[in-house]
Amino acid sequence: AQSVTQPDIHITVSEGASLELRCNYSYGATPYLFWYVQSPGQGLQLLLKYFSGDTLVQGIKGFEAEFKRSQSSFNLRKPSVHWSDAAEYFCAVGGNGQNFVFGPGTRLSVLP
Amino acid sequence: DSGVTQTPKHLITATGQRVTLRCSPRSGDLSVYWYQQSLDQGLQFLIQYYNGEERAKGNILERFSAQQFPDLHSELNLSSLELGDSALYFCASSGRPTYQETQYFGPGTRLLVL
Repeated sequence: AQSVTQPDIHITVSEGASLELRCNYSYGATPYLFWYVQSPGQGLQLLLKYFSGDTLVQGIKGFEAEFKRSQSSFNLRKPSVHWSDAAEYFCAVGGNGQNFVFGPGTRLSVLP
Repeated sequence: DSGVTQTPKHLITATGQRVTLRCSPRSGDLSVYWYQQSLDQGLQFLIQYYNGEERAKGNILERFSAQQFPDLHSELNLSSLELGDSALYFCASSGRPTYQETQYFGPGTRLLVL
């Protein structure tokens, strides 16, 4: 069965600093990979997704993620964090006929 | 605003009771997904419907059931409620029933079982 791990429960960065959120997955076939963001009291919003092709994926709000098959990773990056990026970030994996599985989430705090 | 609406926003009930959560998908979307978000289980996929038919099933308890109506709105029924059912329940919708389609999430229904 597929699974997703996000090793960092909570990350704190200063505004303007770069960010990398880690995601590792376990999946038997070519995965569909996603990053979602959940702001306090809000639903989830899709940041980006990867299905195939270029392993560097651009998303909304200046985020990007890189798929590395050899490392079973799909890490999320942003070159300069804004205070409004403070939220919970979820990595997820799914595939045709397979359940959609979320990671436990990483809470991002941003220092002024 | 994702265009997905969920009612009610909050629900407080007692153990053993039954509740119904409602979801209206974005205009034109045929697929509806239900998720549960709790502190101990995290975000879990429950069930998916596409154009009125069940498409995929996740970690949905037998006490829970769902359906999608001809007007495409969906209801999630939770019965014989237990304290552990307290959670945030999300609905999402997409056009087609594949994961390549972006899922748009509603704001959720927060259920508290006392």
